[in-house]
Amino acid sequence: GQQVMQIPQYQHVQEGEDFTTYCNSSTTLSNIQWYKQRPGGHPVFLIQLVKSGEVKKQKRLTFQFGEAKKNSSLHITATQTTDVGTYFCAGYTGNQFYFGTGTSLTVIP
Amino acid sequence: NAGVTQTPKFRVLKTGQSMTLLCAQDMNHEYMYWYRQDPGMGLRLIHYSVGEGTTAKGEVPDGYNVSRLKKQNFLLGLESAAPSQTSVYFCASSHGQGWGTDTQYFGPGTRLTVL
Repeated sequence: GQQVMQIPQYQHVQEGEDFTTYCNSSTTLSNIQWYKQRPGGHPVFLIQLVKSGEVKKQKRLTFQFGEAKKNSSLHITATQTTDVGTYFCAGYTGNQFYFGTGTSLTVIP
Repeated sequence: NAGVTQTPKFRVLKTGQSMTLLCAQDMNHEYMYWYRQDPGMGLRLIHYSVGEGTTAKGEVPDGYNVSRLKKQNFLLGLESAAPSQTSVYFCASSHGQGWGTDTQYFGPGTRLTVL
């Protein structure tokens, strides 16, 4: 079965609202990566988290790795139309690398 | 510097036909990967390679074969296409500093339809 699940699958927000996607793994992860895929495009690497409880920020994006290293979140503050796309987490279990199911974000101007 | 390129961009096959998807990278990366992307399933790893002449199975390898005869190329073959193989296929490459910890660079994708 799917090793890494993301919720929600879809999210529609008004421009300026915040957005959060959650990533949950059935097994402990060595690290977690986040990728963004624009509509019709290909995944592009955003960031990697390695340490338990780690928090990293990129401008309006905040990434968090859970204490148990089995979950992660991406929070976008004050969404803009340029944030539209699908956000994927991806984690390494030690012997296999799994992408999450993705969260598709639509931003309504 | 083209990065990762894939050919073809689109292809329609009939059930039972065979084809090869070509991935090329000009970044001198050691690792290369083939993924398929289906709605609601995310990206699933088909096969990967950690160096020229080596390949390994990923999460969903059945029905596919791969070859890495040259460092810069990674080929994905479908010997007898089935409708279940209708998908968008992405190739990716990475430096090779660590399996699962490298940043992966993706190609533009190949949209394959099997009728």
